[in-house]
This record gives sequence, structure tokens and C-alpha cells, in this order.
Amino acid sequence: DVKVTQSSRYLVKRTGEKVFLECVQDMDHENMFWYRQDPGLGLRLIYFSYDVKMKEKGDIPEGYSVSREKKERFSLILESASTNQTSMYLCASSSPVGPNYGYTFGSGTRLTVV
Amino acid sequence: GNSVTQMEGPVTLSEEAFLTINCTYTATGYPSLFWYVQYPGEGLQLLLKATKADDKGSNKGFEATYRKETTSFHLEKGSVQVSDSAVYFCALSAGGGNKLTFGTGTQLKVEL
Repeated sequence: DVKVTQSSRYLVKRTGEKVFLECVQDMDHENMFWYRQDPGLGLRLIYFSYDVKMKEKGDIPEGYSVSREKKERFSLILESASTNQTSMYLCASSSPVGPNYGYTFGSGTRLTVV
Repeated sequence: GNSVTQMEGPVTLSEEAFLTINCTYTATGYPSLFWYVQYPGEGLQLLLKATKADDKGSNKGFEATYRKETTSFHLEKGSVQVSDSAVYFCALSAGGGNKLTFGTGTQLKVEL
């Protein structure tokens, strides 16, 4: 069964901390994505990557950065966490072609910044 | 730009009732359309998809038809179960890059 694994389900961090959210997929997918999910706002794209060492800004990249050193791993970095970054973070991967067109999502990381 | 508009929830139904969740979209070109479902405490799962006009996606008793003339992709199920309680997201993919644009989600609660 294909999988996207996010390293933590729940995380509590202090304001100003540097926070790393890790995501690993085992499907050899080229594309990986980070979204945040907030009530009433749905899912908003933060960053995405089409290949190793490539990254593109999504709709709300401010306050975030990403790293993709290996094909299977895509990390989201909060440079200096703030309370307005308290949210559910969802990682996803996809292959651009083939029968699995569409995303496979991880279970999410609920981040609370205090 | 691309956008997806879903009916607001929560939607509360009795078991075996008919379900419709409305979804309309705005997109350049010819998008692919998706419905995702999120069960409590989990990530999103692909429920069904349609990649061209008049296609019907179906899965687990759910259906949605890609209507280009009304730019809609409404989700339907003839008889809902308590286990269908979840949040449903409509989404589209248009242009290159396989990026998805999501609606705000509709929470469905099915009661006995």
C-alpha cells in the first residue's frame, strides 16, 4: 500500500522557534506538496516541488521555506514560528502521469505555536 | 485564477437519505475534477475523479458528473450511512504541474 508519512501527528512549539515538519513518500513520486488546513479556509498551498532540489512557491509561502534533498523526502520549515501558524499541515505527493493521477496525502501534523 | 466553490456545511442527514453536495469551479483551460474525503483524525483520500466533460466519476456509491456547461461537479449518493460522516472537498487541477486547488470543504454528519 502506498504511503505518505508525516513524522509527527501533534507538535507544540514556542513562538520564535525554528520548526521542521518532515514528510516521506515511498511511491517514487516526482511531485510533493505542503498545504495548511484551517476551518473555513479549506486547504491552501504553501510550497511544492517537482523534483529533487526544486521548489516553487504556492499561494501562502510567507514565513515558510522547504527543502528537498532526496526524492522521497520533502521538509517544511517555519523559520521563526508565530501563533498565526498554528494549523493542520498536510503533505501530499503525486505522479504526473499514470493511473494514480491525483494526490496521496499524509495523516497531517497538527501544530500549535504558543 | 482557478477557484472552487462548495456549499457550506455542516450538512446533517438521517441514515439512508439522499445526499447532494454542490461544487462549482472557475478555471482556465480544461481542468480535471476531484472529490476528496477526510475522515476524523485522518488525511484526505481521493474519493472519485473526472478528467473531461461529461465524465462520471464513481466510488463507494458516490457519483459526480463533470458538467462543463454549468462548470459544476456535484457529489451525490443515493443512501448515506453513518460511516459516511466526514469532510468532503471538491478540487480541480488545471494547467501544468498537477497542482490542486481545493474548495473550503463540506462537513457531513449522518445520524441514525
